[in-house]
Amino acid sequence: NAGVTQTPKFQVLKTGQSMTLQCAQDMNHEYMSWYRQDPGMGLRLIHYSVGAGITDQGEVPNGYNVSRSTTEDFPLRLLSAAPSQTSVYFCASSSTAGTSGGARYEQYFGPGTRLTVT
Amino acid sequence: AQSVTQLGSHVSVSEGALVLLRCNYSSSVPPYLFWYVQYPNQGLQLLLKYTSAATLVKGINGFEAEFKKSETSFHLTKPSAHMSDAAEYFCAVSDRPGNQFYFGTGTSLTVIP
Repeated sequence: NAGVTQTPKFQVLKTGQSMTLQCAQDMNHEYMSWYRQDPGMGLRLIHYSVGAGITDQGEVPNGYNVSRSTTEDFPLRLLSAAPSQTSVYFCASSSTAGTSGGARYEQYFGPGTRLTVT
Repeated sequence: AQSVTQLGSHVSVSEGALVLLRCNYSSSVPPYLFWYVQYPNQGLQLLLKYTSAATLVKGINGFEAEFKKSETSFHLTKPSAHMSDAAEYFCAVSDRPGNQFYFGTGTSLTVIP
């Protein structure tokens, strides 16, 4: 299993440009989420999804859109990039069901996308 | 609602000394608690988790944490620090499997040779 994959790893945008950060998982997890990580602020939830066709806002959703057309993919769209969106973005997934050992509780993280908006 | 407070954004210890990273949580229901580690320029890796079984949880790399309901704490410890332990550590809480996680702001651990 590849786990959670994210592309691209690095991206530089100009203010006003749009782009999509890709996230995919091959563990058949129902729950997927996007976080941004900024110095001194930990990880803040942007959007999350509990299954295909279902998404909801997290703590800092403004300026971002998501959709979940398949279980595997959960792209994050920046509609009009702003310097305040310069950050490291992490995608994560977890299962709401599963076997013993607590494997269904934890979130699995991708390697991150480092975004700079100039 | 759930929340996590990590006391001390930076902690320095000498190599071989005890590591203690503090985490207090707030939850209206029995929580699921996690510690993650992040090495420079990498993603988050699970160290250990508490899921209502044993209150003393052992994780990878010699780390362990104890769930204390009366103190609403889940502090992370390691008896003897190694240089390779230098990283950012995050505590997180969730109220049920697969549900939203709430992260603390992180503690940066420095190990002094």
